[in-house]
Amino acid sequence: DGGITQSPKYLFRKEGQNVTLSCEQNLNHDAMYWYRQDPGQGLRLIYYSQIVNDFQKGDIAEGYSVSREKKESFPLTVTSAQKNPTAFYLCASRGRLVNEKLFFGSGTQLSVL
Amino acid sequence: RKEVEQDPGPFNVPEGATVAFNCTYSNSASQSFFWYRQDCRKEPKLLMSVYSSGNEDGRFTAQLNRASQYISLLIRDSKLSDSATYLCVVRRDKIIFGKGTRLHILP
Repeated sequence: DGGITQSPKYLFRKEGQNVTLSCEQNLNHDAMYWYRQDPGQGLRLIYYSQIVNDFQKGDIAEGYSVSREKKESFPLTVTSAQKNPTAFYLCASRGRLVNEKLFFGSGTQLSVL
Repeated sequence: RKEVEQDPGPFNVPEGATVAFNCTYSNSASQSFFWYRQDCRKEPKLLMSVYSSGNEDGRFTAQLNRASQYISLLIRDSKLSDSATYLCVVRRDKIIFGKGTRLHILP
């Protein structure tokens, strides 16, 4: 079955540590997105990529980094520069058509120890 | 001004009532528009796309007014299962979500 997979479901980070969240899709989608959601808040865009080997900053990119070496994969690294990383992280992808919907992964809850 | 703004909510309405959600967007170059529904700590799911001609899906009706940069969602005959957060979504080169409006349907 086609879909988008995020792992792990829960992740804990120690102070000063970098952690990487995985996002893989087998939908042959060009565009992929990372969002952060805080309790009671909407989704805020961290990074997005419209094609392999290219990505752009979203509204809250500071303290995060991404790569897009393969079409299927768009990992997000939360660096030690991100001082408030505790949040629910959602990865999404979409196809090329104008009104095509976003497909979401099931999310990763990141907490700081 | 935020790129996508929604009613702050929450809305607490009795079962069977009609509920209206409003959303405005700031960038006139926006190309496509959606309403998503999100249950607590789950990923958002597409409720419906929104077209200028207006569109309906059962109890749900969505409208887009490009001149006013305004999007609406109407839910008729609300059910307990409609309780969720409703997110307005706008796309140009990137996809921007509103903060969402929480809906509680009361028995």
